[in-house]
Amino acid sequence: DTEVTQTPKHLVMGMTNKKSLKCEQHMGHRAMYWYKQKAKKPPELMFVYSYEKLSINESVPSRFSPECPNSSLLNLHLHALQPEDSALYLCASSQAGTSGNEQFFGPGTRLTVL
Amino acid sequence: GEDVEQSLFLSVREGDSSVINCTYTDSSSTYLYWYKQEPGAGLQLLTYIFSNMDMKQDQRLTVLLNKKDKHLSLRIADTQTGDSAIYFCAETGRDGYNKLIFGAGTRLAVHP
Repeated sequence: DTEVTQTPKHLVMGMTNKKSLKCEQHMGHRAMYWYKQKAKKPPELMFVYSYEKLSINESVPSRFSPECPNSSLLNLHLHALQPEDSALYLCASSQAGTSGNEQFFGPGTRLTVL
Repeated sequence: GEDVEQSLFLSVREGDSSVINCTYTDSSSTYLYWYKQEPGAGLQLLTYIFSNMDMKQDQRLTVLLNKKDKHLSLRIADTQTGDSAIYFCAETGRDGYNKLIFGAGTRLAVHP
């Protein structure tokens, strides 16, 4: 299984809502990532988990809260978002450590904040 | 600082070869990657090259690395309409192997 899955595919939420994005992989990867991608731009790294511990937070606002409950799952909890947070949110996974960083991406969740 | 640059657009005729170019700044990068993104989809890893290599070939794809000029290219032979997509070049960041620095992406349009 070389697939990263993400749910939901699309999400529309109001600025007062609380929602969560989910990501799952069964490749035995111990590093997992959240990226944000605006239209016609490259992905921007948000968070990196390595061995289920948060190792990189790229100064992301606290209205985004990541969680890695086990080595296969990665969540992104959303609360009090702004319309400018509308974007494609991509999850990725890779081997951890220094063995190379071929990151495998999921299809993304298209988020619209009203 | 770390930076990856790509030209934004390339148009080719079906059946011709496409060459997408990328320059990077971090000479300590160990791996360099090419990703493909079709509309509305995630990123697909196409190929990568280790920094001690000059060339890597994988079916229709050829990656060339010029370490002196910090220049990376992706050649797609016999380009097909299904190759139309955005292609991102990426390097490993100085923070370690867990961080990728992406270029802005090159939109490849294949016309009959």
